[in-house]
Amino acid sequence: DAGITQSPRHKVTETGTPVTLRCHQTENHRYMYWYRQDPGHGLRLIHYSYGVKDTDKGEVSDGYSVSRSKTEDFLLTLESATSSQTSVYFCAIAGASGNTIYFGEGSWLTVV
Amino acid sequence: AQSVTQLGSHVSVSEGALVLLRCNYSSSVPPYLFWYVQYPNQGLQLLLKYTTGATLVKGINGFEAEFKKSETSFHLTKPSAHMSDAAEYFCAVSDQGSQGNLIFGKGTKLSVKP
Repeated sequence: DAGITQSPRHKVTETGTPVTLRCHQTENHRYMYWYRQDPGHGLRLIHYSYGVKDTDKGEVSDGYSVSRSKTEDFLLTLESATSSQTSVYFCAIAGASGNTIYFGEGSWLTVV
Repeated sequence: AQSVTQLGSHVSVSEGALVLLRCNYSSSVPPYLFWYVQYPNQGLQLLLKYTTGATLVKGINGFEAEFKKSETSFHLTKPSAHMSDAAEYFCAVSDQGSQGNLIFGKGTKLSVKP
């Protein structure tokens, strides 16, 4: 158990509404990540954080923003959800060695 | 840019047979290589990883993988498949020092027939 909690685990929302997914870790690790998983694409990095208030874009960052005001929490926001953002979202943290990534259980988001 | 290719989106084996899941990568710098397993409706679990040192890496559940630099490969094997091995497997690569910016393959779904 890597000490990662994602919320909500399942959400259905309407097109155009804002959505925030939360990732909480109990390991006090510096690095945190948001990935999305889609059939045929594997996992793709959306945004990552290397410390409080330090974030950067990943491969598929358009339409997403993130915030990290505390070490333990990393928030992913869809400002105006679109159907193309229907996906499974995974939060991850880097282990103490920095070279192993541990994943949360995922958040299933459906945009209708 | 780094990339990962997993050959075969679906692989089916009989229980007790050899499991071989193929992964080839491209990287301009020495890579870190990983295999993850995902069971239905769950997150990804680390099976094994290669960072430096011994090129044959042993992981959980009887899996192992060998880093072959000359072939840019990191194939996953298990001598004898079990029904509980049915899952989706993902190969991933990152740069040494990139702090976890993993590039994933598209996954291989393993089915195990009784």
